[in-house]
Amino acid sequence: DAGVTQSPTHLIKTRGQHVTLRCSPISGHKSVSWYQQVLGQGPQFIFQYYEKEERGRGNFPDRFSARQFPNYSSELNVNALLLGDSALYLCASSPHGPSPAFFGQGTRLTVV
Amino acid sequence: EDQVTQSPEALRLQEGESSSLNCSYTVSGLRGLFWYRQDPGKGPEFLFTLYSAGEEKEKERLKATLTKKESFLHITAPKPEDSATYLCAVQAGYNNNDMRFGAGTRLTVKP
Repeated sequence: DAGVTQSPTHLIKTRGQHVTLRCSPISGHKSVSWYQQVLGQGPQFIFQYYEKEERGRGNFPDRFSARQFPNYSSELNVNALLLGDSALYLCASSPHGPSPAFFGQGTRLTVV
Repeated sequence: EDQVTQSPEALRLQEGESSSLNCSYTVSGLRGLFWYRQDPGKGPEFLFTLYSAGEEKEKERLKATLTKKESFLHITAPKPEDSATYLCAVQAGYNNNDMRFGAGTRLTVKP
């Protein structure tokens, strides 16, 4: 069975640009969450969507937004990129609610 | 504010040398505590969920336990392939859907 898939795996962007990260959950999972992981730290919660509705939002600026599509895949958008946005962005899916969550391999975003 | 603290930050063991990793938490209304393993550059791999004090879960050389204030991940006779960062996360409250992670323990097992 396919796990959580994320694309792209790596990305380099310039300050001020916009980025879209994509996630496909495990088949049958209706909940998708996004996390940001800076090197040496644990993942930090950004958003959670369940049945296409936002169910949770972490302490991130409005430059971060997300949505979930009818097939339960999801996008994370970040506008006006800053150097500090450089991190591993993780997507996790679960069958109902946010736990237990199964993570994808992540998208490594580098902002230069 | 909910807090999750993992100790030690790093642990070096010889192959076969058993030890424990600690995860202490301060949350309002624990709904679940989770252990993950993360290899460099990869996403966390789910290991265990614990829901109530006294609960224990086992998988191969790993055993997770839970009290009202902390959780332990016991590693028995570790092998080099157990080297990874082990993350602890909690889910708390009735309206919160996020998991709050600790910073992790970086485990190195030498042959």
